[in-house]
Amino acid sequence: DQQVKQNSPSLSVQEGRISILNCDYTNSMFDYFLWYKKYPAEGPTFLISISSIKDKNEDGRFTVFLNKSAKHLSLHIVPSQPGDSAVYFCAASLGGATNKLIFGTGTLLAVQP
Amino acid sequence: EAGVAQSPRYKIIEKRQSVAFWCNPISGHATLYWYQQILGQGPKLLIQFQNNGVVDDSQLPKDRFSAERLKGVDSTLKIQPAKLEDSAVYLCASSLTGNEQFFGPGTRLTVL
Repeated sequence: DQQVKQNSPSLSVQEGRISILNCDYTNSMFDYFLWYKKYPAEGPTFLISISSIKDKNEDGRFTVFLNKSAKHLSLHIVPSQPGDSAVYFCAASLGGATNKLIFGTGTLLAVQP
Repeated sequence: EAGVAQSPRYKIIEKRQSVAFWCNPISGHATLYWYQQILGQGPKLLIQFQNNGVVDDSQLPKDRFSAERLKGVDSTLKIQPAKLEDSAVYLCASSLTGNEQFFGPGTRLTVL
């Protein structure tokens, strides 16, 4: 049962344009969402997060939007840069004692110069 | 600030052999996680420690996998005996607050 889904395995965007990565979830009890970025042969690095009580969080070029009624979140990168090329994972947490993260399968973003 | 350290970075073994991975979390981080990432999938939590106690090991295949965190700092994850389907990247992460987890570079295990 895949509780966190990233339906686009890959995305290609031109440098300077907007990248939009999408994530859907099924468990309405998730209370915290995170995006991680992963380069080859490295571990995932934290990018940005959002609490379920908010609908938007912004950090520089990165903005995460949360639509709880649709159980959908998205990551916007504006403007996209070649260094943004990586695999992006969406993750969700139920909070509580464990703060266990449930990850999606990832989206490979390629930013073309 | 030093990040999460893991060793070895790569390991190749034959099925039915045993293997162990080591993790040193960020200093002061009480929570430590081991994840398994199979090719094409997201990381899946195997076990979570809070200091040296186990918080969640519900997805750890306990017939072959074991983990310990002595003294609440370093941790080792062992597989004995390994199966072909254990081929994956094993990621260690640590956390101070719980919400944001910091990952090490991982150990890529290939079981032949």
